[in-house]
Amino acid sequence: AQKITQTQPGMFVQEKEAVTLDCTYDTSDPSYGLFWYKQPSSGEMIFLIYQGSYDQQNATEGRYSLNFQKARKSANLVISASQLGDSAMYFCAMREEGNKLVFGAGTILRVKS
Amino acid sequence: DTAVSQTPKYLVTQMGNDKSIKCEQNLGHDTMYWYKQDSKKFLKIMFSYNNKELIINETVPNRFSPKSPDKAHLNLHINSLELGDSAVYFCASSQGTGGINEKLFFGSGTQLSVL
Repeated sequence: AQKITQTQPGMFVQEKEAVTLDCTYDTSDPSYGLFWYKQPSSGEMIFLIYQGSYDQQNATEGRYSLNFQKARKSANLVISASQLGDSAMYFCAMREEGNKLVFGAGTILRVKS
Repeated sequence: DTAVSQTPKYLVTQMGNDKSIKCEQNLGHDTMYWYKQDSKKFLKIMFSYNNKELIINETVPNRFSPKSPDKAHLNLHINSLELGDSAVYFCASSQGTGGINEKLFFGSGTQLSVL
């Protein structure tokens, strides 16, 4: 069963605007963690942000924030004030039983100037 | 100093050959992983070691054999390479279990091309 779903294969955003990348997950474990990673065209995997299931507040890291809606099992990544360097593949991931991270299929983001 | 380093970055080889990818981390982490990223960019875990002990072994052909001589190293040996093995292989490490400790630190990847 698909544990992490990213429904947007590709997204475009105008430079300086905000963009939301969707992620929904499926788990019956009350304790879990959600992660977002960025993979630019150079190929490296860059950690962006983490949200724990018991965290009271939505996570924020600079221009990245996580819109965590626990009841809807969604953990959308919001990037504010998009920059050309934000063009990349973005992966949502969740810790699964056995302490492994499982990844969604990813969303390609293109920032237009 | 690179936190998680893997070599080589590119590996081009013929079908049927045996090859190895090496990985080292200097973060003092106990857990190391191998992930495979296919041509559609889908990332899937292959193996995980905790302090030299195999703890995750996903459905991977037994031509793939990980080896962890110590907790800072996790190598991947692949026998009898097939065309379908062409992918990017990522090594990663994490501090431990629980919350943000499960954050993965990735190596830069090894692009394996089997001809």
